[in-house]
Amino acid sequence: GESVGLHLPTLSVQEGDNSIINCAYSNSASDYFIWYKQESGKGPQFIIDIRSNMDKRQGQRVTVLLNKTVKHLSLQIAATQPGDSAVYFCAENTRFNTDKLIFGTGTRLQVFP
Amino acid sequence: DAGVTQSPTHLIKTRGQQVTLRCSPKSGHDTVSWYQQALGQGPQFIFQYYEEEERQRGNFPDRFSGHQFPNYSSELNVNALLLGDSALYLCASSPGTGNTEAFFGQGTRLTVV
Repeated sequence: GESVGLHLPTLSVQEGDNSIINCAYSNSASDYFIWYKQESGKGPQFIIDIRSNMDKRQGQRVTVLLNKTVKHLSLQIAATQPGDSAVYFCAENTRFNTDKLIFGTGTRLQVFP
Repeated sequence: DAGVTQSPTHLIKTRGQQVTLRCSPKSGHDTVSWYQQALGQGPQFIFQYYEEEERQRGNFPDRFSGHQFPNYSSELNVNALLLGDSALYLCASSPGTGNTEAFFGQGTRLTVV
């Protein structure tokens, strides 16, 4: 498949280690946040979401942390696996503009055996 | 459930031509959004359709138009193609308005030569 991002920030981790991917958002009115995973040649795949009334949400092997004070979002992946290799995007939305998602620039995660 | 399906998967067009891309939403979803993803960037919102009407539009020229059919499927039309229109075009569906998870299709890779 064709590469999604050729010059994206890259995080390289060893298989089994934990990964942390960070995202800064600019709109203080944003109140809904989503992390997407995009593999080469595919569309974005939903990973986990969080609303602004929460600061932490856990899924299977993933945790999203939200710090509204500094407008920062992070995705933690536990026990990273080769299948986690992809480009990860954060996206934001607001209750006043619920019709579109605003995506960040993305981070490429590379997992080495 | 087939999820969100898009056609065609790849397309090559000549500058100045017109193109139509198609999207079938996930079963039970009535809202369709279109995004443009240039290489190395995050998806950019084009517009969203709900109840067969364009509800909101991103910063794209009038050359970009769309349609939603009674069965909730949607088309994206681009007229007078420019080289810069080359991108991955993504369709996302969701179950109505509000802050809800959007499911993406695989995308259509459009190349304008």
